[in-house]
Amino acid sequence: DTEVTQTPKHLVMGMTNKKSLKCEQHMGHRAMYWYKQKAKKPPELMFVYSYEKLSINESVPSRFSPECPNSSLLNLHLHALQPEDSALYLCASSQTNAYGYTFGSGTRLTVV
Amino acid sequence: AQSVTQLDSQVPVFEEAPVELRCNYSSSVSVYLFWYVQYPNQGLQLLLKYLSGSTLVKGINGFEAEFNKSQTSFHLRKPSVHISDTAEYFCAVKVGTGTALIFGKGTTLSVSS
Repeated sequence: DTEVTQTPKHLVMGMTNKKSLKCEQHMGHRAMYWYKQKAKKPPELMFVYSYEKLSINESVPSRFSPECPNSSLLNLHLHALQPEDSALYLCASSQTNAYGYTFGSGTRLTVV
Repeated sequence: AQSVTQLDSQVPVFEEAPVELRCNYSSSVSVYLFWYVQYPNQGLQLLLKYLSGSTLVKGINGFEAEFNKSQTSFHLRKPSVHISDTAEYFCAVKVGTGTALIFGKGTTLSVSS
């Protein structure tokens, strides 16, 4: 298995909702990442997990809450989002201290 | 801090023409360089990477890139493009093994017949 799987592919949520994005990989990668990508923009790093521990938080608002329950799974919990949070959320993984990332196909989030 | 600059935001070309997408980086230390492609409504796919060794790197779909340390560049080339190459292309840099991937702003390649 050489893929990063993200679910759901599309999500529409209201500003008072709580939802979660899920990311899964079975490549034995011990580093996992969340990126946010707005239309016509490059991906922006949000969080990095290394060996299931949060190692980088790029000053992301607390309405985004990451979780890494085990080495294969990465979640992003969403609460009280704003319409400007609408974007494509990309998950990636890599071998720790390695170079290339494998990206999932993303979750397209719309906040209404 | 490292950064990467993609010099062209849009590159229109005709089918079967050659193309070059330009990328420059800034870092005072050794870097690792990547090109990713993103098709509409999809995630990112790795085209090629430079880690060390030969400065000419060959990737998937007929793309290649040349690492030029003196000019701090990593330009992507393809000798003959297809309509299916129409996509967004991102150059990315990584400094060391413990840092995260940082992307350039992207270049939109539009191939027409």
